[in-house]
Amino acid sequence: DQQVKQNSPSLSVQEGRISILNCDYTNSMFDYFLWYKKYPAEGPTFLISISSIKDKNEDGRFTVFLNKSAKHLSLHIVPSQPGDSAVYFCAARGNNRLAFGKGNQVVVIP
Amino acid sequence: NAGVTQTPKFQVLKTGQSMTLQCAQDMNHEYMSWYRQDPGMGLRLIHYSVGAGITDQGEVPNGYNVSRSTTEDFPLRLLSAAPSQTSVYFCASSWNQGVNTEAFFGQGTRLTVV
Repeated sequence: DQQVKQNSPSLSVQEGRISILNCDYTNSMFDYFLWYKKYPAEGPTFLISISSIKDKNEDGRFTVFLNKSAKHLSLHIVPSQPGDSAVYFCAARGNNRLAFGKGNQVVVIP
Repeated sequence: NAGVTQTPKFQVLKTGQSMTLQCAQDMNHEYMSWYRQDPGMGLRLIHYSVGAGITDQGEVPNGYNVSRSTTEDFPLRLLSAAPSQTSVYFCASSWNQGVNTEAFFGQGTRLTVV
């Protein structure tokens, strides 16, 4: 029973355009949400996070939006760069644990 | 500043063999955890620890044991390896899970059980 869901497993986007990744969750007790980026043969690295008491957090080219009523969050990357090509994982914290989605493969085309 | 260090990076085991995956962190983090990553499955939590001497089961604990005798180390033991345990294993650490901090991951151990 997956509590964090990422649909649309892959996304291709032109360099300079916006990448939008979506994530849905089912557990209303989650209080903190994170996005991780993963390159092949490396461990995931933290990208950006948002507390459940906020609806937006911005860090440079990365913005995360949270819609608690819809149990939905999204990650916007603008402008997309070739170095952004990676797998992106959405994660949610609750009950001393992080639950991860299955990941989205992003390919940025130069 | 090493962060989270996992050894070995690659391992091939025969069915029924045992082994220990090592994980060490030098950030004095209280919380440590083990995940496995399988194709199409994302990261699934195996075991975690909120501090030295305290461990608990995650989502997929069967076939794995852990212990936390020190703050720095959190080894994962496979008692009798099975082909279903073929996976990439990641260790992670964070200050704790009670405040808004992110987890730092190791580079991973790719395990193949034949």
